[in-house]
Amino acid sequence: KQEVTQIPAALSVPEGENLVLNCSFTDSAIYNLQWFRQDPGKGLTSLLLIQSSQREQTSGRLNASLDKSSGRSTLYIAASQPGDSATYLCAVRPGANSKLTFGKGITLSVRP
Amino acid sequence: EPEVTQTPSHQVTQMGQEVILRCVPISNHLYFYWYRQILGQKVEFLVSFYNNEISEKSEIFDDQFSVERPDGSNFTLKIRSTKLEDSAMYFCASTMFVGAYGYTFGSGTRLTVV
Repeated sequence: KQEVTQIPAALSVPEGENLVLNCSFTDSAIYNLQWFRQDPGKGLTSLLLIQSSQREQTSGRLNASLDKSSGRSTLYIAASQPGDSATYLCAVRPGANSKLTFGKGITLSVRP
Repeated sequence: EPEVTQTPSHQVTQMGQEVILRCVPISNHLYFYWYRQILGQKVEFLVSFYNNEISEKSEIFDDQFSVERPDGSNFTLKIRSTKLEDSAMYFCASTMFVGAYGYTFGSGTRLTVV
């Protein structure tokens, strides 16, 4: 059974810092991996989608990498801003027709 | 950018009552899903729906739950007799094709059972 882990559960950094959020999964046979952002009490906003054949994806200040063999993905946020404060979730899809399995998320606080 | 729309945003109901959560997926999407998130816990899968039938459901999705696509645009989740433990944020999601495309999630319905 696929398990997705995100550690630490919470992170507080000063504005301007570059940071890395980690995601690990137990079964490396994934189809793709998606990073989401969730603001308190709100829905899930898709940030980046990485297919199993890809190593990384970039969108603006965000860069996500995928290492299937080690069961890891990282979300890199450059030059963090207070507006980046949110919970970041990663989710893996084991097969093309499979449900998403989520991690519990990392709650990021960027201090002005 | 196209959105998945969920209504209501918040619903309070008494234990034992029936509730219907509504979703309007993105118009050209073919695959529809319900997930839920109990406060402080992981987002967990409930059910997937394609071609007017359930394609997969989790062990959470018991006989108290049902889904329907009553017309070409709406996708609903019904809970027949709510329990306290059904209190959660319920998310609808859709995708065009499985696999190569990511999911688009709605903003959620917060269900509170009292």
